[in-house]
Order: sequence, then structure tokens, then C-alpha cells
Amino acid sequence: DGGITQSPKYLFRKEGQNVTLSCEQNLNHDAMYWYRQDPGQGLRLIYYSQIVNDFQKGDIAEGYSVSREKKESFPLTVTSAQKNPTAFYLCASTYAASGAATDTQYFGPGTRLTVL
Amino acid sequence: GDSVTQMEGPVTLSEEAFLTINCTYTATGYPSLFWYVQYPGEGLQLLLKATKADDKGSNKGFEATYRKETTSFHLEKGSVQVSDSAVYFCAPGRGNKLTFGGGTRVLVKP
Repeated sequence: DGGITQSPKYLFRKEGQNVTLSCEQNLNHDAMYWYRQDPGQGLRLIYYSQIVNDFQKGDIAEGYSVSREKKESFPLTVTSAQKNPTAFYLCASTYAASGAATDTQYFGPGTRLTVL
Repeated sequence: GDSVTQMEGPVTLSEEAFLTINCTYTATGYPSLFWYVQYPGEGLQLLLKATKADDKGSNKGFEATYRKETTSFHLEKGSVQVSDSAVYFCAPGRGNKLTFGGGTRVLVKP
């Protein structure tokens, strides 16, 4: 079955540690996205990538880093510079990297990160 | 940039009641419009979408019409079920970027 997988589902981190969240898709989608969701709030865009080896900052990129070495994979690293990292992180992908109309974004199940 | 306003909730309904969730947006030009649904502990799923003015998106008994004049995309369902309990997000899209509203929590009681 095609889809987006995120791992782990739950992640605990000590303050001052970097942690990497995995996102993999087998939909052959060009574009991939990372969002952060805080309780009772909407989604905020962290980073997105429209093509391999290229990515752009979203609205809240500070304290995060990404890479896009393969089309299928878009890992997110939460660094120690992120002051309030406890949140629910969602990865998404869409078929076309660009176009006049916005394509549907398909979401993974999310990773809940808790900083202890 | 684009922005979205949607009712905060929670909206509590009895089964078989009529549901309306209001969504208005501010955007330059004519974005595509989406409704996503999030069930507890899960990611978001596309519920429906509309790509141009006067288009009606529909799925699973839900409907929403792209109203250019009022910049709105209100979500409606005629008879809700307990399984419709979730958080609903309105989102205009431009290029391949979505701007999400804060979400509306809906609780349907038997």
C-alpha cells in the first residue's frame, strides 16, 4: 500500500539533545513538508522541499534542520536551539512540485515529541 | 500572506443533528480551498476540496461551496454520526502551500 510513514510514533528527548524524526513516502511524490501542531492549534509549516537536494524554510524554521537526499525521504532534526520542541510533528507530501492549482497534501500519522 | 478564520469550538451535537462549521479566508487571487479532518492521535486526511469559485466539494455526506464573493468555504453535513467526532481544518492553498486555520473540534454525542 502506498502512503507516508513516520517514526517513531512517540519520542522522548532530554533537554539539550538533538533528535531526528523520520518521514518516508512511497507515493512517488515530488514535494514533502514538515508541520508542527501544538495542542488546540492549527498546523505551522517548518520546512518544505519541492525536489531532491533542495528545501525552503517555512514559517517557523528556527531550531530545525532538514535534508532531502532521496525523493522518498525527508528527515527532520529538532536541534537543541529549538526552545520549545514539545509538539506533534506531521509530515506531508504532494504529487507536483509546482502548478497553478494546489494539489492535495497527504499526511503521515505523526510523531509526538516530548522534551523531558 | 493568506490567513484563515474558523470557529474555534468545541461544537457539541447530538447524533443526526445538522453541522455547520464556518470558514472565511483572506488571500490574494483565488486559492484552492480544502477541508481536512483529524481523528484523535492521527494525521490529517483530506475531506473535500474546491479549486474555483462556485465549485462544490463533497465527501462522506459533507459539503462545502467555494464562495468568492464572501471569501468563505463553510462546511456542512445534514446528519452527523458519532464517528464524525474529530477536528476539522479549513485551508486555502496557493502553489503547493497550505495555510491552516486553528481547527474546529466537533463532538457528536449518541
